[in-house]
Amino acid sequence: DAGVTQSPTHLIKTRGQQVTLRCSPISGHKSVSWYQQVLGQGPQFIFQYYEKEERGRGNFPDRFSARQFPNYSSELNVNALLLGDSALYLCASSLGYEQYFGPGTRLTVT
Amino acid sequence: RKEVEQDPGPFNVPEGATVAFNCTYSNSASQSFFWYRQDCRKEPKLLMSVYSSGNEDGRFTAQLNRASQYISLLIRDSKLSDSATYLCVVNPEQFYFGTGTSLTVIP
Repeated sequence: DAGVTQSPTHLIKTRGQQVTLRCSPISGHKSVSWYQQVLGQGPQFIFQYYEKEERGRGNFPDRFSARQFPNYSSELNVNALLLGDSALYLCASSLGYEQYFGPGTRLTVT
Repeated sequence: RKEVEQDPGPFNVPEGATVAFNCTYSNSASQSFFWYRQDCRKEPKLLMSVYSSGNEDGRFTAQLNRASQYISLLIRDSKLSDSATYLCVVNPEQFYFGTGTSLTVIP
């Protein structure tokens, strides 16, 4: 079975730009969560979506937004990029409590 | 106070050694607990869920102590391939990750 997929794998943006990251969950999984991981830290929770509804939001500014589509795939949008947004962005899908991660999108903001 | 506290290490151990990691959490309402393994520049991979009764998977044993609010991971007979960062996760209403503990197994 295919795991969680994310695109793109790498991205370089300039400060002030906007970015959209994409995630496809494991088939049958209805919940998708997004995380930001900076070097040397554990992943930080950004959003969780279940059945297209936002179920949780972490401590991130309003520049971060997300949505989930009828096929359960999801997008994470970040506006007005800052240098500090440079990180690995991870998507995880779940059926129950256990979450399974995709390979991530590595975002570099210059 | 952080939701999850984890000793970052690094732990450098010889092959065949036994190594233990602990992780404390602050929210007593937490219901789900996990250990993930993360290799350099890769995504976290689920290693084990942690149950109240404790659980074992081969060389790996996970324990939960609700009274003291900590979870532990024991690795026996360490292999070179066990070298990675081990992340504990606590889930009161969302996933909270520790900062990770770095393990290097030395030949």
